[in-house]
Amino acid sequence: GENVEQHPSTLSVQEGDSAVIKCTYSDSASNYFPWYKQELGKGPQLIIDIRSNVGEKKDQRIAVTLNKTAKHFSLHITETQPEDSAVYFCAATSNDYKLSFGAGTTVTVRA
Amino acid sequence: DAGVTQSPTHLIKTRGQQVTLRCSPKSGHDTVSWYQQALGQGPQFIFQYYEEEERQRGNFPDRFSGHQFPNYSSELNVNALLLGDSALYLCASQQGNTEAFFGQGTRLTVV
Repeated sequence: GENVEQHPSTLSVQEGDSAVIKCTYSDSASNYFPWYKQELGKGPQLIIDIRSNVGEKKDQRIAVTLNKTAKHFSLHITETQPEDSAVYFCAATSNDYKLSFGAGTTVTVRA
Repeated sequence: DAGVTQSPTHLIKTRGQQVTLRCSPKSGHDTVSWYQQALGQGPQFIFQYYEEEERQRGNFPDRFSGHQFPNYSSELNVNALLLGDSALYLCASQQGNTEAFFGQGTRLTVV
């Protein structure tokens, strides 16, 4: 099955700086890569996703890049704000809909 | 649109008991998946229901079972509860091969 590894496990950044989270996956059949943000006591919230026919996607301060050859994808958050503090999860799936998640990255934005 | 709703939000059960968790999918969604999220970890796929049948199953024992109703809502049942079943149980819904939206989860504590 799919194995997703995520790094780093914790990330502390100064407000206004950028944050980068990296994930690798094992199954070459995976073709959909969502990113979720989870705040304390809440369920994961989809923040951005990318499909394997696209190399990069951007939505305001958030961007995701995908390297199919190397089987890795990354989340970039620019101009970080205190409300960006949360746990972020990457995930991967092929067309069978089952999401395989990374272990999560706890992001802390220091004011 | 109420999004994905789960009930109850919290639950305490004794070892050996049985529990039923409930999920109402987002309006227009016909596929429901269940995930188990242990503390400090990423969600783990339990199973997925589509057209009232289990379409896929993750690496969970038969003590975990489910059901989907004609209105697409779903239940997760866990029999013979173990201490290790303590976790946040998440329900996600989607329509076809579109993005999955998660509920806020049910926090199950087994004592």
